[in-house]
Amino acid sequence: DTEVTQTPKHLVMGMTNKKSLKCEQHMGHRAMYWYKQKAKKPPELMFVYSYEKLSINESVPSRFSPECPNSSLLNLHLHALQPEDSALYLCASSQVGRGSSYEQYFGPGTRLTVT
Amino acid sequence: QKEVEQNSGPLSVPEGAIASLNCTYSDRVSQSFFWYRQYSGKSPELIMSIYSNGDKEDGRFTAQLNKASQYVSLLIRDSQPSDSATYLCAFYNAGNMLTFGGGTRLMVKP
Repeated sequence: DTEVTQTPKHLVMGMTNKKSLKCEQHMGHRAMYWYKQKAKKPPELMFVYSYEKLSINESVPSRFSPECPNSSLLNLHLHALQPEDSALYLCASSQVGRGSSYEQYFGPGTRLTVT
Repeated sequence: QKEVEQNSGPLSVPEGAIASLNCTYSDRVSQSFFWYRQYSGKSPELIMSIYSNGDKEDGRFTAQLNKASQYVSLLIRDSQPSDSATYLCAFYNAGNMLTFGGGTRLMVKP
């Protein structure tokens, strides 16, 4: 089973709202990722959690706040977003090991629109 | 120089033909290479991974890796209209982050 689930599928929020994106995997993976993808562009890495600890933050604005409550769950808390933050937000997971060259599996994504 | 270069396309092939997608990369440290397929409005789906020089076949897909030339390709045999999508190549860079090419849009015409 290579399934990563994400909720919600679609989200529309105003610039003053607070919302959260959720991601779950049951593959026993110990690395989880958040990516942002704009139209006709490749995914851009935002955050990496390895063994539930934040290991990479790609200079993402503080209005995006990640959280990894346990090895299966990953959240992305959103606050005071801008219209340019509208994008497809993708969660992915993978195994972790020496060299960390493992396959990443993506969830279906959350289509976020900021009005 | 970009870390990963792909021709953005569109690459148009007739149904039943072989589609050839190419990718060059700049980081000689890279050991792992991946091809993802992404349909419009959907998330990337992993279709092939390749770690050593040579060819790797899986059904209608063949990935080819040449580390000396820093070149990885994906061949799709007997192309079907359902193969029409954007194909992203990716590899782990020196910072251990999965780095994507810009993607090649493939169109298979019936």
